[in-house]
Amino acid sequence: QKEVEQDPGPLSVPEGAIVSLNCTYSNSAFQYFMWYRQYSRKGPELLMYTYSSGNKEDGRFTAQVDKSSKYISLFIRDSQPSDSATYLCAMSAGGYQKVTFGTGTKLQVIP
Amino acid sequence: NAGVTQTPKFQVLKTGQSMTLQCAQDMNHNSMYWYRQDPGMGLRLIYYSASEGTTDKGEVPNGYNVSRLNKREFSLRLESAAPSQTSVYFCASSERLRDQPQHFGDGTRLSIL
Repeated sequence: QKEVEQDPGPLSVPEGAIVSLNCTYSNSAFQYFMWYRQYSRKGPELLMYTYSSGNKEDGRFTAQVDKSSKYISLFIRDSQPSDSATYLCAMSAGGYQKVTFGTGTKLQVIP
Repeated sequence: NAGVTQTPKFQVLKTGQSMTLQCAQDMNHNSMYWYRQDPGMGLRLIYYSASEGTTDKGEVPNGYNVSRLNKREFSLRLESAAPSQTSVYFCASSERLRDQPQHFGDGTRLSIL
């Protein structure tokens, strides 16, 4: 079993839809949770960074962490064609512990 | 605003050939990383350098060597390329070890025939 599981998609939604992207994990030591966005032929860029459980909002993006269920989510409101990309979740136990990445979910927002 | 620059962007090698992937960052970051990205596998850490003068193995170091040439530059060398090393290679940097965000380059797409 992988330490971090992420549905690869692809996920196709119409413009303006609410998108939900999810990851599950097995390592209860994880306490730092990240979402990276990766456009085609580009490197990943950090989108959201949260510590422990709870919600964090940044514009149209909301990250949720449920440590009791070992489940994290990224919600995108009013999705735009420019949101079309692969979204990678990532997590670590903190300190000098390694960062473990999910395999990514490919999202396509159709105009 | 160059950030992290990787060269070359694309390369095709034959089995057994050697090559060096170059990476440079202009953000004065202390830590640098090399990852490979394969379908269904996610990003996997090959080697990292916590600071100038130090390098350490990551998850998948076999078949690779690295050099932290100075604070800006961190190179990855394949001594004898194998088809299993066909992948997209990303260099990244951060202010300190394991800090977020890690800033990534745009990758080197490497095919080994």
